[in-house]
Amino acid sequence: GAGVSQTPSNKVTEKGKYVELRCDPISGHTALYWYRQSLGQGPEFLIYFQGTGAADDSGLPNDRFFAVRPEGSVSTLKIQRTERGDSAVYLCASSISGSQDEQFFGPGTRLTVL
Amino acid sequence: KQEVTQIPAALSVPEGENLVLNCSFTDSAIYNLQWFRQDPGKGLTSLLLIQSSQREQTSGRLNASLDKSSGRSTLYIAASQPGDSATYLCAVRANNNDMRFGAGTRLTVKP
Repeated sequence: GAGVSQTPSNKVTEKGKYVELRCDPISGHTALYWYRQSLGQGPEFLIYFQGTGAADDSGLPNDRFFAVRPEGSVSTLKIQRTERGDSAVYLCASSISGSQDEQFFGPGTRLTVL
Repeated sequence: KQEVTQIPAALSVPEGENLVLNCSFTDSAIYNLQWFRQDPGKGLTSLLLIQSSQREQTSGRLNASLDKSSGRSTLYIAASQPGDSATYLCAVRANNNDMRFGAGTRLTVKP
């Protein structure tokens, strides 16, 4: 399809485990964003990529969270030593070049940490 | 720190009514404001994007306005339909990277 895709759609894991969440942006979009959305809240910014580099990772809550985008397209959000408080929907978005461009969102990955 | 507030948190209207959703933000130095729709268990669908230099944008039955000086935006939905039922989120981009969202307004349009 032509939109942003995310896999898996659902992930259930146990406390302390490591998880990876994948995002495939719209082809040709150089900017990619990760957000986290808790129940009943709006999404919260985590990290922004421009091409292969993380231009702004100020939203990552702590050093257990890390994201990569090695070829400037697909991105992976990695969470180490998961905690129950990490349970949320993780949303990915992309835009043509960042800055003032419209962002297009994927369906999200619902992460549940037991 | 930019804070975005949406009022009301929930709204229920009969089909056919015109309605207004409100969004306010604390820092008027914004690049743009975007309205999204989110259906239960789904991602966000972009509805309208208003650049800081613009005052309004229209798409079909939707009209969004922006008043930067007062830190307000409204989303007007004309002739509401049951299919409009969803959560509507506004998001303000206050710098190049950081987009702040409100908590959303959950709209129910009753047939």
